[in-house]
Amino acid sequence: NAGVTQTPKFQVLKTGQSMTLQCAQDMNHEYMSWYRQDPGMGLRLIHYSVGAGITDQGEVPNGYNVSRSTTEDFPLRLLSAAPSQTSVYFCASSLGGGEKLFFGSGTQLSVL
Amino acid sequence: DAKTTQPPSMDCAEGRAANLPCNHSTISGNEYVYWYRQIHSQGPQYIIHGLKNNETNEMASLIITEDRKSSTLILPHATLRDTAVYYCIVRVEGFGNEKLTFGTGTRLTIIP
Repeated sequence: NAGVTQTPKFQVLKTGQSMTLQCAQDMNHEYMSWYRQDPGMGLRLIHYSVGAGITDQGEVPNGYNVSRSTTEDFPLRLLSAAPSQTSVYFCASSLGGGEKLFFGSGTQLSVL
Repeated sequence: DAKTTQPPSMDCAEGRAANLPCNHSTISGNEYVYWYRQIHSQGPQYIIHGLKNNETNEMASLIITEDRKSSTLILPHATLRDTAVYYCIVRVEGFGNEKLTFGTGTRLTIIP
């Protein structure tokens, strides 16, 4: 099992550009989520999904879109990147919403 | 989910037991105590969780007070690789309880 795989590991964008952060898991987990982590802060929930076709907002959803067409994949889309979105992004999955989370290795994003 | 309070930082000598406290005075009867850690810039890693009984696994022990208002994570023989930020979270298990936000945790430094 590869676990939770995130790509890319690093990305630099210009303000206004769009991109998609990829997240895939091979553990047949129903629950997947995206977090961002800013320097000196804990992780904040952006969006989450309890299964294919179902998504919901977390604590800081503005500026981000998600979709869940398959159990395995949960991409995070930035439609028009802003410097405030410079952060490290983590994807996580679990069997269920209240179960222990498995995290990916993160994507470091810089928006200039 | 109930709020938790952790000291921002702690030091521990290598080889000694590291005891990390967490206060969760507003915890409700069906909320579990979870611990995760984040080593450097990696994704957080699950350590242990419990409801009211003390728990032990290959990584750590979790001691929950009888009134469940606080808990202590114990790393019995700390090594340099245990240097990390440790997060204490309380949450209800099961579907419908997906919103999970991490606080700023305790930065544990193991001193040679």
